[in-house]
Amino acid sequence: GIQVEQSPPDLILQEGANSTLRCNFSDSVNNLQWFHQNPWGQLINLFYIPSGTKQNGRLSATTVATERYSLLYISSSQTTDSGVYFCAVGTGYSTLTFGKGTMLLVSP
Amino acid sequence: KAGVTQTPRYLIKTRGQQVTLSCSPISGHRSVSWYQQTPGQGLQFLFEYFSETQRNKGNFPGRFSGRQFSNSRSEMNVSTLELGDSALYLCASSFRLARDTQYFGPGTRLTVL
Repeated sequence: GIQVEQSPPDLILQEGANSTLRCNFSDSVNNLQWFHQNPWGQLINLFYIPSGTKQNGRLSATTVATERYSLLYISSSQTTDSGVYFCAVGTGYSTLTFGKGTMLLVSP
Repeated sequence: KAGVTQTPRYLIKTRGQQVTLSCSPISGHRSVSWYQQTPGQGLQFLFEYFSETQRNKGNFPGRFSGRQFSNSRSEMNVSTLELGDSALYLCASSFRLARDTQYFGPGTRLTVL
């Protein structure tokens, strides 16, 4: 099956810093989604982005499907951004395969 | 519009028992997917239902089963519980199949003693 690798596995930032999270995948995909899991376990969908670039406030994402990677940018980080960020991909009519996530801690 | 709801939120069972978890999708969504999340294995796909039919199944033993009702609500059942079944069970709904934007519920945390 498709392999999904996320980097870095852990990230510690000071409030106000910027960061870039990366997701590499091993095959062509027609579905790529980024999620944020808060400390209480709730997964929130951030982006549905199989290709191209999208922005939502301080967050933006870019997927380069031909090169099999996606990037999630977090600018001016806040303590509420802490949690685990997951990239999940799908091919054809398959369901999502999740990466192992990037754990982000933003300190005040 | 109400989000995805899951009941119960927390559950403690003993080995050998069985358990049923419930998921109500966002109104109008017809697809429900179930995932198991553990510290060691991460998020793993269990099953996907659309219009009361199982469309995809993950690599889990037959002790794990599910179904979807005509109102799109879904249940999953785990029989003969094992210690390794302790996990956060997450349900996600989408308008069509899993390739649509997935919206997750808060999860059911199952502890097997």
